[in-house]
Amino acid sequence: GQQLNQSPQSMFIQEGEDVSMNCTSSSIFNTWLWYKQDPGEGPVLLIALYKAGELTSNGRLTAQFGITRKDSFLNISASIPSDVGIYFCAGQNSGGSNYKLTFGKGTLLTVNP
Amino acid sequence: NAGVTQTPKFHILKIGQSMTLQCTQDMNHNYMYWYRQDPGMGLKLIYYSVGAGITDKGEVPNGYNVSRSTTEDFPLRLELAAPSQTSVYFCASSRDRGYGYTFGSGTRLTVV
Repeated sequence: GQQLNQSPQSMFIQEGEDVSMNCTSSSIFNTWLWYKQDPGEGPVLLIALYKAGELTSNGRLTAQFGITRKDSFLNISASIPSDVGIYFCAGQNSGGSNYKLTFGKGTLLTVNP
Repeated sequence: NAGVTQTPKFHILKIGQSMTLQCTQDMNHNYMYWYRQDPGMGLKLIYYSVGAGITDKGEVPNGYNVSRSTTEDFPLRLELAAPSQTSVYFCASSRDRGYGYTFGSGTRLTVV
């Protein structure tokens, strides 16, 4: 099956620092999604990317859909304590029967105030 | 809007017992999914459904069963619970293929 490699596995940063994480795939995707999971909650969609090369922002978050369609990255600028959580990338092919999301293993972000 | 509602939030089950994890959504989504999340392992798909009456296996279906008699409900059944099924279970739904998922807040299950 499709594999997603998400890195880094964990990050410990100081409040105010910028953060970058990425996902790479062994195969191409039509859609890349980034989710955040707060402790004790389900993942919540942050950003959805539908086109190769697309760069999309949501407040302090910026994500890009790689031009090869095999990778994506997420940047968080000027981190704050509430950014703490697990960030997941997910890839999806919306054509045919293979439309299910494939998730990365997550990046655990800790922000020290 | 309730979104995706899962019950119970927590449960302790004895080995060999059975139970049903409930999931309901009020967004009229056709697609529904069950995932399990284990520490450091991300989310693994157990079963999914593309509409009422249609279900299919995901990546890790062994030990589980599902049914989809209505658009709103997608219960997950554990027949003979084993310690390996200790996990956090998430139900999710999506409007159609190509759209992101809306997740419930999860059920933390411990099998002892």
